Amino acid sequence: EVQLVESGGGLVQPGGSLKLSCAASGFTFSGSAIHWVRQASGKGLEWVGRIRSKANNYATEYTASVKGRFTISRDDSKDTAYLQMSSLKTEDTALYYCTRFPDGDACPFDYWGQGTLVTVSS
Amino acid sequence: QSALTQPRSVSGSPGQSVSISCTGTSSDVGGYNYVSWYRQHPGTAPKVIIYDVNKRPSGVPDRFSGSKSGNTASLTISGLQAEDEADYYCCSYVVGNTWVFGGGTKLTVL
Repeated sequence: EVQLVESGGGLVQPGGSLKLSCAASGFTFSGSAIHWVRQASGKGLEWVGRIRSKANNYATEYTASVKGRFTISRDDSKDTAYLQMSSLKTEDTALYYCTRFPDGDACPFDYWGQGTLVTVSS
Repeated sequence: QSALTQPRSVSGSPGQSVSISCTGTSSDVGGYNYVSWYRQHPGTAPKVIIYDVNKRPSGVPDRFSGSKSGNTASLTISGLQAEDEADYYCCSYVVGNTWVFGGGTKLTVL
């Protein structure tokens, strides 16, 4: 069974840092890109960024509002992806999901985690 | 990158058909056949129902269909059921290797 489990969320002050994890199981993790998507309470989905697979040189891309502040990485030996967030702003408060996009001609975002809540507040 | 434009709400009666539009630009919806649609019930993660404009993942009933014309993609749900009441989001690949979601549409089954 494919599973994605996010962890690491919590309360952090503006300007602080937090590192989220996305632990995968049930599929070949190394053959998928991992995307992060966030959702503020009562709001819509916002694409945050992604890291591609080794076959695609672990390329990363980010939405403009987090570029330079957020960094996505992965450890294929642990089947885990990470979202390092720094210089956090109150507007980064949201439920953060990780989701997969298998390499090749595949369906994007076919499995999602349950999300981990990040609250940026003083 | 601005969010794709979706109507805030649509409604329909059981058994009827409804369509939800998703308008972007030539840099996203209009430029690529990488539009997908997601359904989200309250308190749960999104679920993909359409990808690559008009493909259905395994297990998604053929009541759901997708199409695209120019810079606008559409999701059509036929034979509305009570369980279809949810939020729906479109998503598109964007030039420059990023992705963007629509603002979301709340579907009410009357």
